[in-house]
Amino acid sequence: QQQVKQSPQSLIVQKGGISIINCAYENTAFDYFPWYQQFPGKGPALLIAIRPDVSEKKEGRFTISFNKSAKQFSLHIMDSQPGDSATYFCAAIYSGNTGKLIFGQGTTLQVKP
Amino acid sequence: DARVTQTPRHKVTEMGQEVTMRCQPILGHNTVFWYRQTMMQGLELLAYFRNRAPLDDSGMPKDRFSAEMPDATLATLKIQPSEPRDSAVYFCASGPNSNQPQHFGDGTRLSIL
Repeated sequence: QQQVKQSPQSLIVQKGGISIINCAYENTAFDYFPWYQQFPGKGPALLIAIRPDVSEKKEGRFTISFNKSAKQFSLHIMDSQPGDSATYFCAAIYSGNTGKLIFGQGTTLQVKP
Repeated sequence: DARVTQTPRHKVTEMGQEVTMRCQPILGHNTVFWYRQTMMQGLELLAYFRNRAPLDDSGMPKDRFSAEMPDATLATLKIQPSEPRDSAVYFCASGPNSNQPQHFGDGTRLSIL
């Protein structure tokens, strides 16, 4: 059972465009939602994270939008650059004291020059 | 810049051999996680520790996999005997506490022939 569903599986965007990746979750026990960026041959790197009491968080060109009632959140990459080409994973952490990350399936982003 | 260090980065061995993967978590982090990444299954949680104590290893095949933390600076993941289906990239991650995102190492790419 996939607890965090991510879409699309792959995405091609022109340089300068907006990349949008969506995630949905079912379990209301999740209370922290990080996004990871992974380049080939590297481990996932924490990109940006949000808690459900905040509807939006922005860091540079990266923005998370969070809709608690719909149990959905999304990553927007503004002014996408070829260097942003990577695989992006959304994730969710259980509340309480476990720290267990549940990952989405990943989105491979290609930004064309 | 603090990092999670994994060794070896690559390992090729024959079926039936013992494989040991090592991880040095970020100093001061008290949670350590082992993940396996494959194209088919994505990122799977194998085991995790808090304050060196195992919390959950339900993701690991118990008959051949074992995970330990002999001390706060070393986590190990062993496979004995190894099988071709164990070929994957194994990531270690550590976190400052249970409700904060984890930081990943660059993984051990394991190939079992």
